[in-house]
Amino acid sequence: ETGVTQSPTHLIKTRGQQVTLRCSSQSGHNTVSWYQQALGQGPQFIFQYYREEENGRGNFPPRFSGLQFPNYSSELNVNALELDDSALYLCASSLKSGGAVNEQFFGPGTRLTVL
Amino acid sequence: GESVGLHLPTLSVQEGDNSIINCAYSNSASDYFIWYKQESGKGPQFIIDIRSNMDKRQGQRVTVLLNKTVKHLSLQIAATQPGDSAVYFCAENIGTGRRALTFGSGTRLQVQP
Repeated sequence: ETGVTQSPTHLIKTRGQQVTLRCSSQSGHNTVSWYQQALGQGPQFIFQYYREEENGRGNFPPRFSGLQFPNYSSELNVNALELDDSALYLCASSLKSGGAVNEQFFGPGTRLTVL
Repeated sequence: GESVGLHLPTLSVQEGDNSIINCAYSNSASDYFIWYKQESGKGPQFIIDIRSNMDKRQGQRVTVLLNKTVKHLSLQIAATQPGDSAVYFCAENIGTGRRALTFGSGTRLQVQP
């Protein structure tokens, strides 16, 4: 186990709704990255948060947004859900020190199904 | 765009044999590479990493080889066990300030008893 937890485990939403996914990072880690993994594919980078600020973003539209809290936990929010948003959403925590981000530890993911 | 890719979608090996999983990358600026193992219903699990200033790194039963000339990465698993059955991803990253990993599509390793 990596010590990274995510909630909920599974979630079913309908098209047009909004969803919030949560991640608790491993103790001592200050950086959280979110990834989207479609069935049968590798994870795709959504964005990364460091010290409560976005530290890079992948090729995802603005309806994907995030937050990081003072305790380094994080939320991923997706507005106006589309069918293609159905995927496993992974959170990874890591320690950024001396300007470098080290090994990322992944949580078990949240399986989102959009109907 | 540039991306990480894999040659074989499925690899089937006998228990006890050595496994080799290959990966091709296209971004010559990538300087950090990682292999992850993902079992069904779980998140990716770190196996081993290698930086671009190295060409080989060994762990417990695993070895990663990096050939920058042909932009090729491989994962070797010695004495493959049933517990090694999973999907394996290679991932690459550019720069140290933000580890935004780019993953390949994965290779499924099936270990036959």
